[in-house]
Amino acid sequence: DAGITQSPRYKITETGRQVTLMCHQTWSHSYMFWYRQDLGHGLRLIYYSAAADITDKGEVPDGYVVSRSKTENFPLTLESATRSQTSVYFCASTGSSGNTIYFGEGSWLTVV
Amino acid sequence: DAKTTQPPSMDCAEGRAANLPCNHSTISGNEYVYWYRQIHSQGPQYIIHGLKNNETNEMASLIITEDRKSSTLILPHATLRDTAVYYCIVRPGGTSYGKLTFGQGTILTVHP
Repeated sequence: DAGITQSPRYKITETGRQVTLMCHQTWSHSYMFWYRQDLGHGLRLIYYSAAADITDKGEVPDGYVVSRSKTENFPLTLESATRSQTSVYFCASTGSSGNTIYFGEGSWLTVV
Repeated sequence: DAKTTQPPSMDCAEGRAANLPCNHSTISGNEYVYWYRQIHSQGPQYIIHGLKNNETNEMASLIITEDRKSSTLILPHATLRDTAVYYCIVRPGGTSYGKLTFGQGTILTVHP
């Protein structure tokens, strides 16, 4: 089921540009997350949000900004993209039980 | 969050049971064991989770040792589509701990 969608799926941008990755979920889940996955590595948490207007830093937040004005959306912005931010970005969400976390299909970002 | 140790890779013949081990010797009493998998760099997919009792669902079985220091994920009849990276994660349950910390996981390769 496509309850959580990410856009764009693929993006190439230049160093220094601002990029926003969108994440939308249709379940009204309270928690949402952004992870990045670099080639050959596991996922690392960038930011997460417990509810609208509540966000908190994860393991690797530097260079990223998030907002959560609506429960269903959780955009991730790279204010000034760097090559080290070339990665696959996964959005995820979970409901109040927090037991099952659902992931989107990923956004592949290349910074040149 | 407690740390986990998994073998980096395992092989399994199609149709056979795949048994994926995970050590979590520092697990706390309120921490659950979760299993996710990631196929071809798609978004991670939830498989199963448990606290202390063995669990089974349509995808897999989870066997947790009595001392809870290790567990085994069992795919009863592995298929080629089960080839993926399998992540064992331990974390507290409940709404305050929705985030997951991913390790390197086990690359399971199912052979014809």
